[in-house]
Amino acid sequence: GQQVMQIPQYQHVQEGEDFTTYCNSSTTLSNIQWYKQRPGGHPVFLIQLVKSGEVKKQKRLTFQFGEAKKNSSLHITATQTTDVGTYFCAGVNTGNQFYFGTGTSLTVIP
Amino acid sequence: DSGVTQTPKHLITATGQRVTLRCSPRSGDLSVYWYQQSLDQGLQFLIHYYNGEERAKGNILERFSAQQFPDLHSELNLSSLELGDSALYFCASSVLAGVTGELFFGEGSRLTVL
Repeated sequence: GQQVMQIPQYQHVQEGEDFTTYCNSSTTLSNIQWYKQRPGGHPVFLIQLVKSGEVKKQKRLTFQFGEAKKNSSLHITATQTTDVGTYFCAGVNTGNQFYFGTGTSLTVIP
Repeated sequence: DSGVTQTPKHLITATGQRVTLRCSPRSGDLSVYWYQQSLDQGLQFLIHYYNGEERAKGNILERFSAQQFPDLHSELNLSSLELGDSALYFCASSVLAGVTGELFFGEGSRLTVL
């Protein structure tokens, strides 16, 4: 079946350092979405990438979709304590089914 | 507030019992997805309904079942509960089946099986 793997599973960074999480799908995706789940909270949508090679930025967050539409990354520049949480990618296939990655839990040390 | 309502927020029950989790999607959303999240784990897709019809099944156990009613709310039924069923169960809704929109998650129902 379709799988979406995400690495790393955990990441501890000093405040101000950069952070990147990577997402890989076993199959070509229609699009990919990213979500953030704060501790004790529910996943909240961040962004959707649709086009091959697409790059989108939201302030300190940069999202990329691979040329083959099978991988994606989220990069945070100069992390802040407010960035703490688990970041999930969700690969979406042509049947509009969402396959969530395993998530990367980010801890930011002040 | 995502607009998705899940009840109950917390539920404690014993092994062998049956529970029903309820989800009211955002007004106008036709798609409802159910996910299971165990402690420090990812989101395991259980099932997807669109406008009352089952669209896809994920890793949903035979002891679990779900349905979406004409008013678009959905219920997830968990029976013959085991300790390993303890988890956070999320419902998420989305607008259309043919158009990929974002998922709006409820706050979840935390199930504890003792």
